[in-house]
Amino acid sequence: NAGVTQTPKFQVLKTGQSMTLQCAQDMNHEYMSWYRQDPGMGLRLIHYSVGAGITDQGEVPNGYNVSRSTTEDFPLRLLSAAPSQTSVYFCASSYEAPGGQGGGETQYFGPGTRLLVL
Amino acid sequence: RKEVEQDPGPFNVPEGATVAFNCTYSNSASQSFFWYRQDCRKEPKLLMSVYSSGNEDGRFTAQLNRASQYISLLIRDSKLSDSATYLCVVFNQAGTALIFGKGTTLSVSS
Repeated sequence: NAGVTQTPKFQVLKTGQSMTLQCAQDMNHEYMSWYRQDPGMGLRLIHYSVGAGITDQGEVPNGYNVSRSTTEDFPLRLLSAAPSQTSVYFCASSYEAPGGQGGGETQYFGPGTRLLVL
Repeated sequence: RKEVEQDPGPFNVPEGATVAFNCTYSNSASQSFFWYRQDCRKEPKLLMSVYSSGNEDGRFTAQLNRASQYISLLIRDSKLSDSATYLCVVFNQAGTALIFGKGTTLSVSS
């Protein structure tokens, strides 16, 4: 299994540009999520999904869109990039949502995407 | 009060030392707690789950104090390879997502 993969690894954008961060997992996990990590702020949840067709907002959703058309993929779209979105973005997945009985607390993280918005 | 709070450190210890980190949480109804480890410029990985009275895994011991709403991570006989950031994690209020603390940085030197 490849686990959780993310592309690209690095990206530089200009203010106002849009882009999509890709995330895919091959473990048939129902739960997927996106975090951003900033110095001194820790990991903050952007959006999450408990299954195909179902998404919800996390702590910091503004400026980001997600969709979940398949179990495997959970792309994160930046609509109009701003310097405040400079960060490291991590995608994570688990068998089920964290509150479930099936080990949902073991989140498998992708290697991250480092994004710089100028 | 933030949902999860940790002392950011850094904790600088020599090899062989015992070091402990604390983490406080605000949701008294929380049932599950975890420690994740994150190496520099890498993704977080689950280190230990902490249930009821805590648990032990080799040199690592995690304990829970519900009355005071804190969990701790004890590392005995520190190794150079233990150098990393340790993240305290709890469920959010809705039980739908994990809330990460900002992390405590440990540096073990020879």
